[in-house]
Amino acid sequence: SQQGEEDPQALSIQEGENATMNCSYKTSINNLQWYRQNSGRGLVHLILIRSNEREKHSGRLRVTLDTSKKSSSLLITASRAADTASYFCAIGSNTGNQFYFGTGTSLTVIP
Amino acid sequence: NAGVTQTPKFRVLKTGQSMTLLCAQDMNHEYMYWYRQDPGMGLRLIHYSVGEGTTAKGEVPDGYNVSRLKKQNFLLGLESAAPSQTSVYFCASSYARDYGYTFGSGTRLTVV
Repeated sequence: SQQGEEDPQALSIQEGENATMNCSYKTSINNLQWYRQNSGRGLVHLILIRSNEREKHSGRLRVTLDTSKKSSSLLITASRAADTASYFCAIGSNTGNQFYFGTGTSLTVIP
Repeated sequence: NAGVTQTPKFRVLKTGQSMTLLCAQDMNHEYMYWYRQDPGMGLRLIHYSVGEGTTAKGEVPDGYNVSRLKKQNFLLGLESAAPSQTSVYFCASSYARDYGYTFGSGTRLTVV
């Protein structure tokens, strides 16, 4: 399978804490993306990290990529209640024209 | 700037009926995709297009057809709906292969 696998499946934290979720994959990749999905809504693109990059930042988001371990992590710092959502990694393999999505991590931030 | 617009937002079909889902994007994106999202399964790619007049199969294409006659529109057809096609359908577009996707808000389809 070319899907990514997110871990944990569900995460519950207090507002202000940091949230870390992980994505593991099995294929060789060109790049990897992270998306957020609020309940009942479409997915929103957060960050794309390419296979030759190790870390990217966007505001309170930090994404790392370790191609030797075939894994990526998404860190949300100083979480807010509005960060409550499902987070998906999407794998862009070096063959084909599409990204493969995992089943997501459900994050709940308690005010 | 509407982004990606999907119509309809909700639909109930009887088994055997046909329907077309419309996806329209106003960003001049080359790539367009149709995904379905089911509980515990994540998003699975049905069909995609890398430009006007092109289509290709994804992971789960059976029972669906697509057309991309105009660059801005990507249509998904269900020829003979089955209960297994009950799902939330998402359309997405991107500028090129290795760029982030812009998603529509989804179509919730129930086949009874």
